[in-house]
Amino acid sequence: GAVVSQHPSRVICKSGTSVKIECRSLDFQATTMFWYRQFPKKSLMLMATSNEGSKATYEQGVEKDKFLINHASLTLSTLTVTSAHPEDSSFYICSARDPAGNQETQYFGPGTRLLVL
Amino acid sequence: DAKTTQPPSMDCAEGRAANLPCNHSTISGNEYVYWYRQIHSQGPQYIIHGLKNNETNEMASLIITEDRKSSTLILPHATLRDTAVYYCIVIKSQAGTALIFGKGTTLSVSS
Repeated sequence: GAVVSQHPSRVICKSGTSVKIECRSLDFQATTMFWYRQFPKKSLMLMATSNEGSKATYEQGVEKDKFLINHASLTLSTLTVTSAHPEDSSFYICSARDPAGNQETQYFGPGTRLLVL
Repeated sequence: DAKTTQPPSMDCAEGRAANLPCNHSTISGNEYVYWYRQIHSQGPQYIIHGLKNNETNEMASLIITEDRKSSTLILPHATLRDTAVYYCIVIKSQAGTALIFGKGTTLSVSS
């Protein structure tokens, strides 16, 4: 299947700082990528849909000014957690659809674990 | 998208077949059934999907009932590495929308 990478895999930061997470599709071009967040023992929750060359679409309750999403190329989307606080500590996962394959199959990155102290 | 119902947990002995059920009684004609799994602390992994017919790949088999209101994911020879949370998701064809995850089934494979 298609490969999606994320960087970094793990990050620890101080409260009030900003953290950038990268999501890359390695062997295909993705016009649409998705960002999820997962708290311990919970299921994945969709945060936003990232469209190449346009503004992201955020789910209800997700602050667009706090979680900045940029999808500047067909292989890279970034999620920046601005002014991070301890409650933002979570497992962040991106996914992308491979337009060459079945239209609805999404491939997920390995996730980024964020710990805000 | 149609809602799915899965048992919260299942156990399976190593080497035996694991049969994971999913109910999707409100599925419509243009909706696919997708299965993903998430091993602890990793991103979800695509397993298999189907529309009407049964499907098989190197990982699993998917059996969809004739009325499409339920399906079963079959891992023919479960191993310890198959211990994970398994998600059954229904999504419209050509919708281009994100996958919405329910609580899934936690499969525990033991020796």
